[in-house]
Amino acid sequence: GIQVEQSPPDLILQEGANSTLRCNFSDSVNNLQWFHQNPWGQLINLFYIPSGTKQNGRLSATTVATERYSLLYISSSQTTDSGVYFCAVERNQGGKLIFGQGTELSVKP
Amino acid sequence: ETGVTQTPRHLVMGMTNKKSLKCEQHLGHNAMYWYKQSAKKPLELMFVYNFKEQTENNSVPSRFSPECPNSSHLFLHLHTLQPEDSALYLCASSQDEEGRYNEQFFGPGTRLTVL
Repeated sequence: GIQVEQSPPDLILQEGANSTLRCNFSDSVNNLQWFHQNPWGQLINLFYIPSGTKQNGRLSATTVATERYSLLYISSSQTTDSGVYFCAVERNQGGKLIFGQGTELSVKP
Repeated sequence: ETGVTQTPRHLVMGMTNKKSLKCEQHLGHNAMYWYKQSAKKPLELMFVYNFKEQTENNSVPSRFSPECPNSSHLFLHLHTLQPEDSALYLCASSQDEEGRYNEQFFGPGTRLTVL
């Protein structure tokens, strides 16, 4: 099956810093989503981005489908950005999202 | 209510108990999902329902029994669980358009502890 790898696994930032999270996938995909999981377990949708670039406030994402990777940019990080960021992909398998291992982000004040 | 809701939010049960998890989506979607997230691990898909029909069972043990009475409601019936089944159980929904499954939206999850 398709493999999803995220890097780095852990990241510690000072408030105000910028960061880039990466998601590599082993095969072509129909869908790609980025999520933020807060400390209570809630998965928050960040981007639905099977290809191209999108921006939402301090966050932006780019997926290069032909090269099988996606990037999530966080600018001017805040302590509320802390949590685990997941990338998930779906490949013609009836809605079956395959999740990466996640990047655990900690933003220090 | 908006989005995807799940009840209960926390559940503690013994191995001989029978309990049910409930999920309701208010987004008008036609596909619903159960995922399991064990500690420090990514989510794993358990079941997919499309127009109330089960379309995916990801080799889930029979002690987990899903039920989808309509496109807005999804249940997960639990019986004779094991301690290793303790996890966060998440429900999601999306709109399927002629076989194309679109963006999935998740509920807040039920944190299950099996004693």
